Amino acid sequence: EAGVAQSPRYKIIEKRQSVAFWCNPISGHATLYWYQQILGQGPKLLIQFQNNGVVDDSQLPKDRFSAERLKGVDSTLKIQPAKLEDSAVYLCASSWARNTEAFFGQGTRLTVV
Amino acid sequence: KQEVTQIPAALSVPEGENLVLNCSFTDSAIYNLQWFRQDPGKGLTSLLLIQSSQREQTSGRLNASLDKSSGRSTLYIAASQPGDSATYLCAVSIGNQFYFGTGTSLTVIP
Repeated sequence: EAGVAQSPRYKIIEKRQSVAFWCNPISGHATLYWYQQILGQGPKLLIQFQNNGVVDDSQLPKDRFSAERLKGVDSTLKIQPAKLEDSAVYLCASSWARNTEAFFGQGTRLTVV
Repeated sequence: KQEVTQIPAALSVPEGENLVLNCSFTDSAIYNLQWFRQDPGKGLTSLLLIQSSQREQTSGRLNASLDKSSGRSTLYIAASQPGDSATYLCAVSIGNQFYFGTGTSLTVIP
């Protein structure tokens, strides 16, 4: 069974630039999550989708972050414009349904300089 | 808001030793608890999932227990190996999301 795919693995951008991350969840998984993990901390949920609808985006900085999952399969997370404090690993995860076992991708390490 | 705490933050043990990692959480109304392993620069690998109605789960040398009433879970690793060196994270599922601890960084010395 293929796992959660994320790209790119690494990205370095200057502050005020934009960046986009892509995630393809495990086939058949209805729930998709985007997490932000700052060095030395546990992952923090940014947004959760159930199929193509948003379930929870309460911790998403909506002035600069956006995410979509238009066809209920893969998803993109965008940051525009980036700030230095956005430097982190962005993790995508998926699960068969809400509150079931979550499987994570390798993450995208973003460095904002 | 759910708070998840993992103690200790770091642990170093000689190879072959049995060890216990601790996870505590403040809100006992959880759906489940999941233990993950994270290698440097990598994503999270799911180790064990314990449903709220279960007391423990086992996979190979790993055993995880859950005591909802006291808000605690432990991950027991038997006969530790250098390959077990990683950061171990616990996450509790409540409401719509998982709440993560900050992890325990484990080093197993050959």
